[in-house]
Amino acid sequence: EAGVVQSPRYKIIEKKQPVAFWCNPISGHNTLYWYLQNLGQGPELLIRYENEEAVDDSQLPKDRFSAERLKGVDSTLKIQPAELGDSAVYLCASSLVAGPLETQYFGPGTRLLVL
Amino acid sequence: LAKTTQPISMDSYEGQEVNITCSHNNIATNDYITWYQQFPSQGPRFIIQGYKTKVTNEVASLFIPADRKSSTLSLPRVSLSDTAVYYCLVGDLSGGSYIPTFGRGTSLIVHP
Repeated sequence: EAGVVQSPRYKIIEKKQPVAFWCNPISGHNTLYWYLQNLGQGPELLIRYENEEAVDDSQLPKDRFSAERLKGVDSTLKIQPAELGDSAVYLCASSLVAGPLETQYFGPGTRLLVL
Repeated sequence: LAKTTQPISMDSYEGQEVNITCSHNNIATNDYITWYQQFPSQGPRFIIQGYKTKVTNEVASLFIPADRKSSTLSLPRVSLSDTAVYYCLVGDLSGGSYIPTFGRGTSLIVHP
């Protein structure tokens, strides 16, 4: 069974440029998460989807970040414009269910460097 | 606000048992405790999950006392390949929905 797929794996951009990350969750997983992970820190939730609906996006900086999950499968996270402080690893995860019993399956992440 | 506290780092040697403790004083009554492992350049991977007492699988054991304010991940007979960062995760229910909250993690280094 294929795991969570993310692309690109690495991205280097200059500040003020736009950037987009793509995630394909495990087949059949209705819940999809985007996390931000800074060096030496644990993942921080940015947004969670139940099918195509964003149910938790309070941590998403909406002035520059946006996300979508069309048709409740693949998802895209966008930053426009990127800032130096956005340099981090962006992780996507999926799970069958949401809540305390969820087991999240993570992709390898996209490492973003903003120059 | 759900929050976890773990030691930042630990060192061990091959063949030893390693115990990593996480404190989660504000855990919700209906929340579970989940542990993940993360290798460099990879996403976290599920290890074990429990609600109370003891849970054991082929990889680890999880001990949770009656007050559930802490939990201990036990790795028996570690090997070099167990060198990784270990996170305990609880949920934050303060906003009305379940938000998984990772701590800063414990970096475990296993020496030959």
